[in-house]
Amino acid sequence: EVQLVESGGGLVQPGRSMKLSCAASGFTFNNYDMAWVCQAPKKGLEWVATISYDGSSTYYRDSVKGRFTISRDNAKSTLYLQMDSLRSEDTATYYCARVPFAYWGQGTLVTVSS
Amino acid sequence: EIVLTQSPTTTAASPGEKVTITCLASSSVSNMYWYQQKSGASPKLLIYSTSSLASGVPDRFSGSGSGTSYSLTINTMEAEDAATYYCQQWSSNPLTFGSGTKLEIK
Repeated sequence: EVQLVESGGGLVQPGRSMKLSCAASGFTFNNYDMAWVCQAPKKGLEWVATISYDGSSTYYRDSVKGRFTISRDNAKSTLYLQMDSLRSEDTATYYCARVPFAYWGQGTLVTVSS
Repeated sequence: EIVLTQSPTTTAASPGEKVTITCLASSSVSNMYWYQQKSGASPKLLIYSTSSLASGVPDRFSGSGSGTSYSLTINTMEAEDAATYYCQQWSSNPLTFGSGTKLEIK
């Protein structure tokens, strides 16, 4: 059974950093591109970033370029999202998903507030 | 960026009723994906590559369309179908989602 379990969310002050993790199991992790998708409270889904199966290519939405870094450790079957210079508008539930989005984690809530 | 406009924004249907949700793209896309999200849950893939049913999805769901106009149809509404539905494209970067259609049961 495919499982994606996010962790690392919580309350963080504006301008600070946070790192999310997504532990994958039930499939061959290094065969798949992975992505992060976020959802602000009561809002729609928004793609954040994608990383290729081997980590060689990464893609970001414009609003997080230069602030967020997606990475992966294939030996640990884990996906990461390093979020720096956080802003209040980054407040959202962050989901990791296996591309093409047939499998999603349960999400982890990041709240950026002073 | 390709903008996906869903309609209606909110709708309600009686059990057994047919429901159609439309997704209009600001530029032509080659395929459309559809997701269902129930309150407090993660999104669930319903339709991929415009018209292919994802694993385990009831066959009352179907997708169609081409170019800039796509639709998701629920042939006979059931109470468990009450949810928010999103379309999504990745023909062009960045990948984008529609703003969602909230479907309620009457």
